[in-house]
Amino acid sequence: SQKIEQNSEALNIQEGKTATLTCNYTNYSPAYLQWYRQDPGRGPVFLLLIRENEKEKRKERLKVTFDTTLKQSLFHITASQPADSATYLCALANDYKLSFGAGTTVTVRA
Amino acid sequence: GAVVSQHPSWVICKSGTSVKIECRSLDFQATTMFWYRQFPKQSLMLMATSNEGSKATYEQGVEKDKFLINHASLTLSTLTVTSAHPEDSSFYICSAGTDKGGNQPQHFGDGTRLSIL
Repeated sequence: SQKIEQNSEALNIQEGKTATLTCNYTNYSPAYLQWYRQDPGRGPVFLLLIRENEKEKRKERLKVTFDTTLKQSLFHITASQPADSATYLCALANDYKLSFGAGTTVTVRA
Repeated sequence: GAVVSQHPSWVICKSGTSVKIECRSLDFQATTMFWYRQFPKQSLMLMATSNEGSKATYEQGVEKDKFLINHASLTLSTLTVTSAHPEDSSFYICSAGTDKGGNQPQHFGDGTRLSIL
């Protein structure tokens, strides 16, 4: 069955450093991969979308890569700030349905 | 833009009560709305997909008679948890999209925390 795994449940980093989050999947060939941010008690907020034929996407301090051979996406937050502290979810899609990973909680220390 | 409002934000009620949750797209017309359920430290699980004016499509294992979905307009979808029991306690989140494709982001509401005593 389809499985989506995000690396370590929690990631603690020092302000200014780069946070790298991993999303691995099995038994799935998604056409699209999306990343969302979720704060405690709130709904997810869309960050970035990458297509299967794209290797990399950037938006301000965020960068996403998509390797369909490795079945993996990497999500980078550069020059991290305490305000980046949140849970980050990856979501895969072929049609209109999104399948979510459990998320990685990032804490950025000042 | 793309604001989705969900109401109420939290509900505490007795076992056996039916609870209605509203999901509204405030500044756009949502052709498709999605209902998710999320347990602590777990991923969002899709419960059902609704399109305006048609019956909802439920995911496997989700009881359609237990979780009633109505999508009466392009800006409003409701989820009614009928005869709720403690095991129905969870965080329910709706999202809205303007396209059925996975190549578009979904816009999420802020969720409803449901606690059944």
